[in-house]
Amino acid sequence: DADVTQTPRNRITKTGKRIMLECSQTKGHDRMYWYRQDPGLGLRLIYYSFDVKDINKGEISDGYSVSRQAQAKFSLSLESAIPNQTALYFCATSDFGTSTPDEQFFGPGTRLTVL
Amino acid sequence: GESVGLHLPTLSVQEGDNSIINCAYSNSASDYFIWYKQESGKGPQFIIDIRSNMDKRQGQRVTVLLNKTVKHLSLQIAATQPGDSAVYFCAENIEDTGFQKLVFGTGTRLLVSP
Repeated sequence: DADVTQTPRNRITKTGKRIMLECSQTKGHDRMYWYRQDPGLGLRLIYYSFDVKDINKGEISDGYSVSRQAQAKFSLSLESAIPNQTALYFCATSDFGTSTPDEQFFGPGTRLTVL
Repeated sequence: GESVGLHLPTLSVQEGDNSIINCAYSNSASDYFIWYKQESGKGPQFIIDIRSNMDKRQGQRVTVLLNKTVKHLSLQIAATQPGDSAVYFCAENIEDTGFQKLVFGTGTRLLVSP
């Protein structure tokens, strides 16, 4: 979805490195989310943000941190990357003001490999 | 392309057949359900949704059926086309400490042969 962009699309890094994944959206949505996807598993929520001043942990937040720099930007950091953080990472947005506030729009994903 | 799920259940159909993808959900209090389609190398894309006060909803070539008694959701795709090949996820909306969150299933891979 071109309205939600993620950078980089692919990244290979080494154990112990700090990594930042960035997400930008032009949909004007209040809510933003970070998920990870592993082979054979569904999407799992890492962090979510309802607005710039609101940050909440999801089900698998350990080892991650986030920053909501603006309504349109939500970045995910791996403080000290480890191999089991190798996964596909997706950013998503949703709009509280619509009739379907739970409908989330996803970015194209970032494939992260930690060696 | 991206390898979304190496060990996903797979449904193989011929072009023109109807496809039915099933999903069991966990929470009887869930009030909203979504089906997503994920093509290789892309993020999940919304297909159709249904609220718990309905048992059927139709879109263009797709129908979602909801059976709350057995907590089962299905996605029917009519006249399946090669472009329908993707991984399909259901998601249920669950309230968790005041937050409405989506819980995703593991997905089913649909392979459509010409």
